Amino acid sequence: DAMVIQNPRYQVTQFGKPVTLSCSQTLNHNVMYWYQQKSSQAPKLLFHYYDKDFNNEADTPDNFQSRRPNTSFCFLDIRSPGLGDAAMYLCATSRTRDSPDTQYFGPGTRLTVL
Amino acid sequence: AQSVAQPEDQVNVAEGNPLTVKCTYSVSGNPYLFWYVQYPNRGLQFLLKYITGDNLVKGSYGFEAEFNKSQTSFHLKKPSALVSDSALYFCAVREEGRGSTLGRLYFGRGTQLTVWP
Repeated sequence: DAMVIQNPRYQVTQFGKPVTLSCSQTLNHNVMYWYQQKSSQAPKLLFHYYDKDFNNEADTPDNFQSRRPNTSFCFLDIRSPGLGDAAMYLCATSRTRDSPDTQYFGPGTRLTVL
Repeated sequence: AQSVAQPEDQVNVAEGNPLTVKCTYSVSGNPYLFWYVQYPNRGLQFLLKYITGDNLVKGSYGFEAEFNKSQTSFHLKKPSALVSDSALYFCAVREEGRGSTLGRLYFGRGTQLTVWP
């Protein structure tokens, strides 16, 4: 089945220690997104890639970076995690940026910062 | 500006009874409306969407949603609830986007559905 895969499912890191989260997709979609979801809140868009074109949301902290080496993979790098960065990180994909297109989400990575 | 309201933080229903999870929206332009479900420690699963056409949209797992333009609502419904339907449900509206402009997805706060046996 075509799908969005995230690794690891659970990640524990120490305050200030860089961490990388991984997302891959077999849907061959052009757009990949990273969302942050804190407990019992709605997901918040951090950035998205349209093909190799990176688009940052205006309020995304500089601490968050992303890489997309090819169509299938996208990485979220948190350079110096703080306690406030503990959250579920969701990767999503869609075929285009057009409004009717559905965004399909991966299972998420739960990040704990000690 | 786009926004979504889910007026109920929690909905409780007995198994076998019909369920409704409410959603109202505000959007400039055409409404593109989505429902997602999230189980504990999992990502969001797409249930259904309204783009255009019939006001009653059928989706996964027996869910359906009714689009009402005059009331700006998009309520999620199921005729007979199951215990396994217990989860967090998000309504979302997508702003106009085409080509180089992203149609961002705006989520409601979510409604926790509990179906008791």
